[in-house]
Amino acid sequence: AQKVTQAQTEISVVEKEDVTLDCVYETRDTTYYLFWYKQPPSGELVFLIRRNSFDEQNEISGRYSWNFQKSTSSFNFTITASQVVDSAVYFCALSEHQGGSEKLVFGKGMKLTVNP
Amino acid sequence: DAGVIQSPRHEVTEMGQEVTLRCKPISGHNSLFWYRQTMMRGLELLIYFNNNVPIDDSGMPEDRFSAKMPNASFSTLKIQPSEPRDSAVYFCASTGGTSYEQYFGPGTRLTVT
Repeated sequence: AQKVTQAQTEISVVEKEDVTLDCVYETRDTTYYLFWYKQPPSGELVFLIRRNSFDEQNEISGRYSWNFQKSTSSFNFTITASQVVDSAVYFCALSEHQGGSEKLVFGKGMKLTVNP
Repeated sequence: DAGVIQSPRHEVTEMGQEVTLRCKPISGHNSLFWYRQTMMRGLELLIYFNNNVPIDDSGMPEDRFSAKMPNASFSTLKIQPSEPRDSAVYFCASTGGTSYEQYFGPGTRLTVT
């Protein structure tokens, strides 16, 4: 069965610190997809990134970077030089491609608070 | 472009009443998902549709919950009768075409007293 573990439940940092959010997943499939979503205090879920299981290249998007390592079943997310606007709950999710639709399994989420 | 639209945004109802949540997916998307978010259980998939057909409803908690998708642009999630433990935020999401990202609506915050 699919499972996503976000061991950290809450992190508090001071602005400009770097912070890494851990995500470990379990799946029996060889083809799967990993996601990160952001849920700011306003409540909506914002898509950040999608990565397929065949692409282990790290990705950088501005202050955000993602490290995918199949050997450790991890898909960690780093925010560099954090800002107050980064304060949110971040969810890691996993899906297995099923006939064109993807059923997402979410981790419990990690609340990040960035203090000025 | 309009994103996923959900209504109402907030719903307060008394135990035993019927509740209907509505969702309009992004135009052109052919898959629609209903999720529930609670503090205790996090984000859970309730049901999803592909081309208006329910594919997996294993997450629907019990028979009091039902979902329909009569056409490509509209879906409902109904709870009848509602109970206090149904209080949660219910999200609708859609995806389709060459995009595998699920785009979420703003959610409906349901409170059952």
